[in-house]
Amino acid sequence: AQSVSQHNHHVILSEAASLELGCNYSYGGTVNLFWYVQYPGQHLQLLLKYFSGDPLVKGIKGFEAEFIKSKFSFNLRKPSVQWSDTAEYFCAVSGATNKLIFGTGTLLAVQP
Amino acid sequence: EAQVTQNPRYLITVTGKKLTVTCSQNMNHEYMSWYRQDPGLGLRQIYYSMNVEVTDKGDVPEGYKVSRKEKRNFPLILESPSPNQTSLYFCASSLGMGWDYGYTFGSGTRLTVV
Repeated sequence: AQSVSQHNHHVILSEAASLELGCNYSYGGTVNLFWYVQYPGQHLQLLLKYFSGDPLVKGIKGFEAEFIKSKFSFNLRKPSVQWSDTAEYFCAVSGATNKLIFGTGTLLAVQP
Repeated sequence: EAQVTQNPRYLITVTGKKLTVTCSQNMNHEYMSWYRQDPGLGLRQIYYSMNVEVTDKGDVPEGYKVSRKEKRNFPLILESPSPNQTSLYFCASSLGMGWDYGYTFGSGTRLTVV
């Protein structure tokens, strides 16, 4: 069965620090990978997605993620975070079943 | 504006009193889904629908029903709500079987069952 693990449940950073949020999935076949963001009190929004091609994917707001097939990972990165990046971040994967499986989320708090 | 609209945004109800949470999308999407979001558990799929009159169970369907009589609407029905169904619910839609666009999510319904 497909599953997604997000290792960090809470992350606290100062503004301008670099960010990397871990995401690992378990599925042997072809996968599509996503990162969603949920700002306080709002619905989920798509940050970026990977289907095929260049494993380094660039998304909105300066975020990027790298798909490393050998490690079953799809980590989210941002070189310099801002206070407005405070949110909850969800990694998600879909495979042959076409179901979208979410990780448990990482709460990011950026201190000004 | 392309969107998924859920109603109500907030709902407090008592155990056993039937309720319906509505979901409507204006993008002509075929695929719609309901999720519940609980702290530490992420989002878990309740039911999904591939198209009109085609629905299937997700990972946590117990205690819920859905229907898809029209393409744009996908209501979630709790026939006899219980306190363990207190949660934040999201409806989502997608263009189809492919994941080209990812999901578009509604703004959520925060349900409290007392």
